[in-house]
Amino acid sequence: QTVVTQEPSFSVSPGGTVTLTCGLSSGSVSTIYYPSWYQQTPGQAPRTLIYSTNTRSPGVPDRFSGSILGNKAALTITGAQADDESDYYCMLYMDSGPKWVFGGGTKLTVL
Amino acid sequence: QVQLVESGGGVVQPGGSLRLSCAASGFTFSSNGMHWVRQAPGKGLEWVAFIRFDGNNKYYADSVRGRFTISRDNSKNTLSLQMNSLRPDDTAVYYCAKGTNWGSDYWGQGTLVTVSS
Repeated sequence: QTVVTQEPSFSVSPGGTVTLTCGLSSGSVSTIYYPSWYQQTPGQAPRTLIYSTNTRSPGVPDRFSGSILGNKAALTITGAQADDESDYYCMLYMDSGPKWVFGGGTKLTVL
Repeated sequence: QVQLVESGGGVVQPGGSLRLSCAASGFTFSSNGMHWVRQAPGKGLEWVAFIRFDGNNKYYADSVRGRFTISRDNSKNTLSLQMNSLRPDDTAVYYCAKGTNWGSDYWGQGTLVTVSS
């Protein structure tokens, strides 16, 4: 059973930079997993930030960026703002199936 | 602009059935794969099912395979999810999402399904 791992929580200061990661319980994340990232605030639908590793969804500011760092996918937020305080989920495509798997999410606090 | 509007949620007894719909507009529906994703109360996102643009290939999470069926009508720009043998742990908000490059780029607002006696 493949598990997609994310930090349960993270905090960043206003104006600061934070990198959230998305890994696998066994193995490394690479571009063939087409990692995507989603932002969700309580009571709202998810919003797509990044798909296919590093492509920003329409309307997403360029302070959100995606990459592969080492053996994980990464979402970097530069110049953090108060309204970035949200839950962030990554999703990986698994070609065995195929199927898509979400990580457990990271709760980001801006303080 | 892209719009996805889910409908069909409600309260159903364990073992019952429900059919969700997602009305799509603002893009060429027949050119895009579509996902269903759900979120149980207070929990994270869970991918449920995907259907290719032409409806010829369908994929399911292990948790719903054999009970749920995804389908689409490209002439009506509509995505559906037929849910049978519902269980209490199927209780969730169900979202449809437009597929792109093995991810998704737009989401609907969701419809709540509650499985309870």
